[in-house]
Amino acid sequence: AQSVTQLGSHVSVSEGALVLLRCNYSSSVPPYLFWYVQYPNQGLQLLLKYTSAATLVKGINGFEAEFKKSETSFHLTKPSAHMSDAAEYFCAVSENSSASKIIFGSGTRLSIRP
Amino acid sequence: KAGVTQTPRYLIKTRGQQVTLSCSPISGHRSVSWYQQTPGQGLQFLFEYFSETQRNKGNFPGRFSGRQFSNSRSEMNVSTLELGDSALYLCASSFRVGQETQYFGPGTRLLVL
Repeated sequence: AQSVTQLGSHVSVSEGALVLLRCNYSSSVPPYLFWYVQYPNQGLQLLLKYTSAATLVKGINGFEAEFKKSETSFHLTKPSAHMSDAAEYFCAVSENSSASKIIFGSGTRLSIRP
Repeated sequence: KAGVTQTPRYLIKTRGQQVTLSCSPISGHRSVSWYQQTPGQGLQFLFEYFSETQRNKGNFPGRFSGRQFSNSRSEMNVSTLELGDSALYLCASSFRVGQETQYFGPGTRLLVL
């Protein structure tokens, strides 16, 4: 069975600092992996996705994530945080691309300190 | 190209009532999925529709139902509302079933009193 664990329900960083949001997954087959962002009162926006191509995936807004099979991790990073990055971030895993099989993590709220 | 639209954006109902939520996918998208988001349970899959047929269903009681029309617009209905149905209901569309990139709408926030 698939599962996703996001370490840290709340992460706070200073503006300009490195953003690191952690995600570990469990999957019995090569997974599809996703990061979504949700701004207040809005739906989810896809940041990036891993679908067995390059292990380092670049997404929108300067975010990237690296798939590490040995560590079963897919951490999200951004070199320099911006105030507009404050939002909730969800990691998700799927064994195929069907919506019914996508399992979301519990989310990490990112706060940016001025 | 317009994004996924959901109506209404906010809704207040009382226990026992029923509610219908609407979702219009991105033009050309034929697959629509519904999710429930709550603080306690997080994001949970409800159903997935393609070409007016339900393709997949999540683990929700029969009070939750949905349908899709020939223009790909979708509705979901919740009957006999319970307090625990208070949630943000998100709709997502993609070009076809099994396409990993889904585009989400802003959601309908339902409050059950």
